[in-house]
Amino acid sequence: EILMTQSPATLSVSPGESATLSCRASQSVSNSLAWYQHKPGQAPRLLIFGASTRATGIPARFSGSGSGTEFTLTIISLQSDDFAVYYCQQFNSWPRTFGQGTRVEIK
Amino acid sequence: EVQLAESGGGLVQPGGSLRLSCAASGFTFSDYWMSWVRQAPGKRLEWVANIKEDGSDKYYADSVKGRFTISRDNAKNSFFLQMNSLRADDTAVYYCGRDLAASLVDYWGQGTLVTVSS
Repeated sequence: EILMTQSPATLSVSPGESATLSCRASQSVSNSLAWYQHKPGQAPRLLIFGASTRATGIPARFSGSGSGTEFTLTIISLQSDDFAVYYCQQFNSWPRTFGQGTRVEIK
Repeated sequence: EVQLAESGGGLVQPGGSLRLSCAASGFTFSDYWMSWVRQAPGKRLEWVANIKEDGSDKYYADSVKGRFTISRDNAKNSFFLQMNSLRADDTAVYYCGRDLAASLVDYWGQGTLVTVSS
């Protein structure tokens, strides 16, 4: 089973600033990597798949990069709606596995 | 608009059973794999099971294999998770989701809480 590790656990950011979230896989997952946003009590929302492709309706301030074992989600000009927990997930091999999440909070 | 709505969660004793349902709308249900994903308190998301468009293929996480059964009813745009021999570590919010290319979930429900406790 591939272990996904996200860092940092918590990121404190002021509105309007940028945030960089990292995700590392214990072995190569090629570009089979997705990012999700999750707010308490809500359905998780797919942001990025294929490491860098934005899902339908996701604004351009969200971008993903990386391949192999190292991946990054960048959010520029953070808005109030962006404060949430973000998870990465690999889908290169079974079972699909998730990172432990990064909480982006208001500074 | 794609919508998924879980139901059937609740409190159950260890060793008991529960059946979760997920009602889907806003897309051609029979064209998609569907999944269940759960999140225990303080833990990361964990994929539980998924089922092929016509129900002919099903996959399970090792942690639930032999105890949980996924099924679907394409005529009713619904799919299900039958959970037997429940344990305390099955306590979680269970989310249903639509699979994208049988690889990841592109739309999720809001989740239903399952609590296994005496």
